[in-house]
Amino acid sequence: ETGVTQSPTHLIKTRGQQVTLRCSSQSGHNTVSWYQQALGQGPQFIFQYYREEENGRGNFPPRFSGLQFPNYSSELNVNALELDDSALYLCASSNHGANYGYTFGSGTRLTVV
Amino acid sequence: AQSVSQHNHHVILSEAASLELGCNYSYGGTVNLFWYVQYPGQHLQLLLKYFSGDPLVKGIKGFEAEFIKSKFSFNLRKPSVQWSDTAEYFCAVNALYGNKLVFGAGTILRVKS
Repeated sequence: ETGVTQSPTHLIKTRGQQVTLRCSSQSGHNTVSWYQQALGQGPQFIFQYYREEENGRGNFPPRFSGLQFPNYSSELNVNALELDDSALYLCASSNHGANYGYTFGSGTRLTVV
Repeated sequence: AQSVSQHNHHVILSEAASLELGCNYSYGGTVNLFWYVQYPGQHLQLLLKYFSGDPLVKGIKGFEAEFIKSKFSFNLRKPSVQWSDTAEYFCAVNALYGNKLVFGAGTILRVKS
């Protein structure tokens, strides 16, 4: 089975710009969650997508938005980038309601300058 | 709201020493519990999980964890660590049928050879 793949692996953006991060879920998984991991902290839940709709959201502003496609892949979009958005962004896939765990990708390291 | 507390941010051990990493969570309902490991430069990997049944859970690479419901704890243990166990360890919880993982801040383990 294929794991979770994320692209790009690294990205440098300027404050105020917009960024799109991409995630392909593990084969057989229909749900994608996004997490932000700031330096020295544990991952923080941004939101989850199931059936192409947002299925729960953490404490992140509306400039963080997402999409899920029919093949279960997903995008995370961040508008009006701020310096504090610099972090590792992790994608995790799972099966809705199955609760047997989440498979994480290697993440995208975003640096905002 | 759920929260997870990991007792130590940095732990240094010599090879063959025993390991115990503390994890306490705050949530009044039924939870699923996880330990993830992040080796340097790699993605989060699931070490073990608890959903129900025997509170002593065995995972990969000789790790085990014990769920003590009365103490809201899920401590990770290994009888004898190896240099290759050097990594960051994260405890995480999600509510039964919940849609997000709540992570602790992580414990960085360094094993001296």
